Amino acid sequence: QQQVKQSPQSLIVQKGGISIINCAYENTAFDYFPWYQQFPGKGPALLIAIRPDVSEKKEGRFTISFNKSAKQFSLHIMDSQPGDSATYFCAAADSQAGTALIFGKGTTLSVSS
Amino acid sequence: GAVVSQHPSWVICKSGTSVKIECRSLDFQATTMFWYRQFPKQSLMLMATSNEGSKATYEQGVEKDKFLINHASLTLSTLTVTSAHPEDSSFYICSALGGTNTGELFFGEGSRLTVL
Repeated sequence: QQQVKQSPQSLIVQKGGISIINCAYENTAFDYFPWYQQFPGKGPALLIAIRPDVSEKKEGRFTISFNKSAKQFSLHIMDSQPGDSATYFCAAADSQAGTALIFGKGTTLSVSS
Repeated sequence: GAVVSQHPSWVICKSGTSVKIECRSLDFQATTMFWYRQFPKQSLMLMATSNEGSKATYEQGVEKDKFLINHASLTLSTLTVTSAHPEDSSFYICSALGGTNTGELFFGEGSRLTVL
């Protein structure tokens, strides 16, 4: 499988701070880049997604920044809250080919109150 | 968003028995479903791609005779773990493509299998 590299593996942020998680991909055919949030014992839930035609997408406190030339994208969580504590996965897919998402290894975020 | 239902959410079985997990798309038709496996504190690893009416495509290293996948209708895919062993204990998650060429995947809640 084509790799999607995610960092950091774990992250501790104080309440109200900014959480930043980074991902890099290899396959230039990828054109769909979602972020998923997963709580223990639950399936992953789509948080926000971006396509290469824009460099940034914001939904509430969550922002994706996308750098096509560097093949990198990142998730920013503004005003982080204890309820944001979860595991976050970046992923990528070639949507035109209808292929499965390739996931990063995940980042465990802990927001301290 | 679209809803994908997975059943059972957890199951315990004895070694050597078979277990079937169902994945249903409740409010949309899914010609393609994907099955993932997730070990504790690890990422989701794609096991197979399930296309309605045809044989599933398995990822390298996944035993197709052990993990039987059937996608008999546009709203249902099943994963059967045959002759389960303790090392098959894992979290199995299905997902379905939400629309033509969107890439968006909707995930079920997952099924935790424990083999004694």
